[in-house]
Amino acid sequence: GEDVEQSLFLSVREGDSSVINCTYTDSSSTYLYWYKQEPGAGLQLLTYIFSNMDMKQDQRLTVLLNKKDKHLSLRIADTQTGDSAIYFCAEKGGSYIPTFGRGTSLIVHP
Amino acid sequence: AAGVIQSPRHLIKEKRETATLKCYPIPRHDTVYWYQQGPGQDPQFLISFYEKMQSDKGSIPDRFSAQQFSDYHSELNMSSLELGDSALYFCASSPSTGADEQYFGPGTRLTVT
Repeated sequence: GEDVEQSLFLSVREGDSSVINCTYTDSSSTYLYWYKQEPGAGLQLLTYIFSNMDMKQDQRLTVLLNKKDKHLSLRIADTQTGDSAIYFCAEKGGSYIPTFGRGTSLIVHP
Repeated sequence: AAGVIQSPRHLIKEKRETATLKCYPIPRHDTVYWYQQGPGQDPQFLISFYEKMQSDKGSIPDRFSAQQFSDYHSELNMSSLELGDSALYFCASSPSTGADEQYFGPGTRLTVT
């Protein structure tokens, strides 16, 4: 079945850029998503990208997609302490149900 | 903008009891999804409904059932609760666009004692 992999932790200094990486195996992926989850809260949709695009920018967020390598990344510019959260990558292919990664815990320290 | 509403936000039940969780999707969203998230886990898909009909089924135990009503709200019914059912339960809704992007509610934290 489909598999989505993410590293578990990322630690950055406030003001630096964060890059969260994700790899997936489903070659029929159509859309890929990034969600943010703060403790005890629901998942907040940050952005998504169609598989025929290779980049999407939205304010401090930049999504890069390398479809050949099945690699997705989320770059957060000027990372702030409020960005500390778990970030989930998800992909949707032939099924209507997205497959989620295990999440990357982003820790931002002063 | 209106978001997905879930109730209750917290629920404490004893083993073998039943629980009903409610979800009110974003207006004009025609698909509702239910997820279960254990501590430190990614959301596990349980079941979804499109236009009030069950559309996909994931790892939902037979003790659980769900339905979507004519006003598009959905309920997840859980019976014979077990300690392992303690988790966060999320509802999400999506519009009928190509991306089918999901908008999650704040979740119901179920604790089974």
